[in-house]
Amino acid sequence: GAGVSQSPSNKVTEKGKDVELRCDPISGHTALYWYRQSLGQGLEFLIYFQGNSAPDKSGLPSDRFSAERTGGSVSTLTIQRTQQEDSAVYLCASSWGGYTEAFFGQGTRLTVV
Amino acid sequence: QQPVQSPQAVILREGEDAVINCSSSKALYSVHWYRQKHGEAPVFLMILLKGGEQKGHEKISASFNEKKQQSSLYLTASQLSYSGTYFCGTEKEGTGNQFYFGTGTSLTVIP
Repeated sequence: GAGVSQSPSNKVTEKGKDVELRCDPISGHTALYWYRQSLGQGLEFLIYFQGNSAPDKSGLPSDRFSAERTGGSVSTLTIQRTQQEDSAVYLCASSWGGYTEAFFGQGTRLTVV
Repeated sequence: QQPVQSPQAVILREGEDAVINCSSSKALYSVHWYRQKHGEAPVFLMILLKGGEQKGHEKISASFNEKKQQSSLYLTASQLSYSGTYFCGTEKEGTGNQFYFGTGTSLTVIP
């Protein structure tokens, strides 16, 4: 595609439910990142995929968060048993790898009620 | 691991200059700068590498002081289009990628 695509753009869920957020990176990009941005805050790193290497999960805030990347392309971020503090915009980005420009998607705004 | 940015916010008139600073308590390997306009995705500005190399596609200059673990973004002759929130991102050693972002500097340019 022309850019990084994320879906859904908005998601409202009830506390305790599971949610899945999807990211379609730019075709051919080997690196994929997930970040979380709370209102008025910076970008919090969550997880990083690079090619076929094991993902760097060091930013995941709890074991309720997980992510996978299938076939080196599409990625899904899953949040289990959502809590109100999970409410934020979840941003995905992709790039050709180190020291290259990262392209961000428009994000998924998650609201937990 | 999150870098610290200063100032938190700045208001400029068109044509004025500004400097945005980014400092880290840990060694810096590369610094990545992005700008985010309200309601939009962050957009790449530049990468600064050790040894002075820079990669970017905007008429914005920046510096990278490895010893001081600091980077500064220089916005000269500001335009209305420069308004937005600026983030610096620092690398996780060995990856070349922007893992840790600062809390951002809000820049508003007024006519």
